[in-house]
Amino acid sequence: EPEVTQTPSHQVTQMGQEVILRCVPISNHLYFYWYRQILGQKVEFLVSFYNNEISEKSEIFDDQFSVERPDGSNFTLKIRSTKLEDSAMYFCASTSGQAPQETQYFGPGTRLLVL
Amino acid sequence: GQQLNQSPQSMFIQEGEDVSMNCTSSSIFNTWLWYKQDPGEGPVLLIALYKAGELTSNGRLTAQFGITRKDSFLNISASIPSDVGIYFCAGQLAGTASKLTFGTGTRLQVTL
Repeated sequence: EPEVTQTPSHQVTQMGQEVILRCVPISNHLYFYWYRQILGQKVEFLVSFYNNEISEKSEIFDDQFSVERPDGSNFTLKIRSTKLEDSAMYFCASTSGQAPQETQYFGPGTRLLVL
Repeated sequence: GQQLNQSPQSMFIQEGEDVSMNCTSSSIFNTWLWYKQDPGEGPVLLIALYKAGELTSNGRLTAQFGITRKDSFLNISASIPSDVGIYFCAGQLAGTASKLTFGTGTRLQVTL
């Protein structure tokens, strides 16, 4: 069964460093998302992406964040200058967008630790 | 913003017992979903509900989309040890592939 994959599974970085989290969505999907989950808390929406542009973003997704689909398969989340509070699990998700079952499938996540 | 509150926050049950958990929202959603998250992994979809009043089953799981479109429940019958995990409800508004708003989660522990 097709699945969303994410790399790396874990990333440790120093505060102020740039990180790039990578995702390979399911191949025929057209809509892509990033969510994050701070330890012990709920999953929060960051950004959605369709047709090579951002569809919607949350208040969390400030100027330090950017997303890109550099080729036909990868979808990346860049954090330009990491802060301690960016430590979280970051999940990529994708969907075909075919109503009514616009199910979003989640990857296994990247655990980011900012020191 | 939209808030989804789940209850109970955590449950400790014995294997074989039935489980019920709820999700309530401050606003209306057009789609309700229930996900399960195992430690260190991403959410996995269990059940999706698309119409108010809809009752849907998936094996031992049953979920209902409330008539008011502001709530949903999930029942698990005859629990087994692999049911352990965190269960999240999520709401979705109308519109193509809109974002998910997740609930606060219910942590389920199953003892033998």
